[in-house]
Amino acid sequence: EAQVTQNPRYLITVTGKKLTVTCSQNMNHEYMSWYRQDPGLGLRQIYYSMNVEVTDKGDVPEGYKVSRKEKRNFPLILESPSPNQTSLYFCASSSSGRPYNEQFFGPGTRLTVL
Amino acid sequence: EDKVVQSPLSLVVHEGDTVTLNCSYEVTNFRSLLWYKQEKKAPTFLFMLTSSGIEKKSGRLSSILDKKELFSILNITATQTGDSAVYLCARLMNRDDKIIFGKGTRLHILP
Repeated sequence: EAQVTQNPRYLITVTGKKLTVTCSQNMNHEYMSWYRQDPGLGLRQIYYSMNVEVTDKGDVPEGYKVSRKEKRNFPLILESPSPNQTSLYFCASSSSGRPYNEQFFGPGTRLTVL
Repeated sequence: EDKVVQSPLSLVVHEGDTVTLNCSYEVTNFRSLLWYKQEKKAPTFLFMLTSSGIEKKSGRLSSILDKKELFSILNITATQTGDSAVYLCARLMNRDDKIIFGKGTRLHILP
């Protein structure tokens, strides 16, 4: 089944404790992206990647890192999480090296930073 | 600023009504506009619009883009309770591959 998976689905952590949220897709998509969704603010793009070893900042990259060492994986790293990073995070992917086409979204990761 | 503005923010109608959701954006040099539906989970794709004046249709949903006036509308006819969701629009630019979303319109259909 074609899908985007994220792990963990739920995470409660404390300020400053490094964490990684994994994202994997099995559709051989070139484009992958991370978003955060907050009430009243909608979906905001954190980072995106056009292909392996190519990453770019979205609208809200501060406090996040990403890497794209393999085509299928695009982990989101919070080196020193803070409470303002409490949010619902979505990973998404699409084909053809551009987000021209439908983006497939993962199920979301709900992160709480205490 | 590369803003995407959706209106209304919230809408409550009765089943069977027709609704029109609006999405406007502030910049030219624009590649395409996307519509998504989000229920209590991840967004699901509805339409991608790249050309002005060409309507895209899927069942009771349709959408059109006006590149001159910088807006798009999403129409839903004969609404059903299953149409209750947040509808998101997003724009893609020519200069980069960033995606900017609007804040969404929360639609609630009363039975």
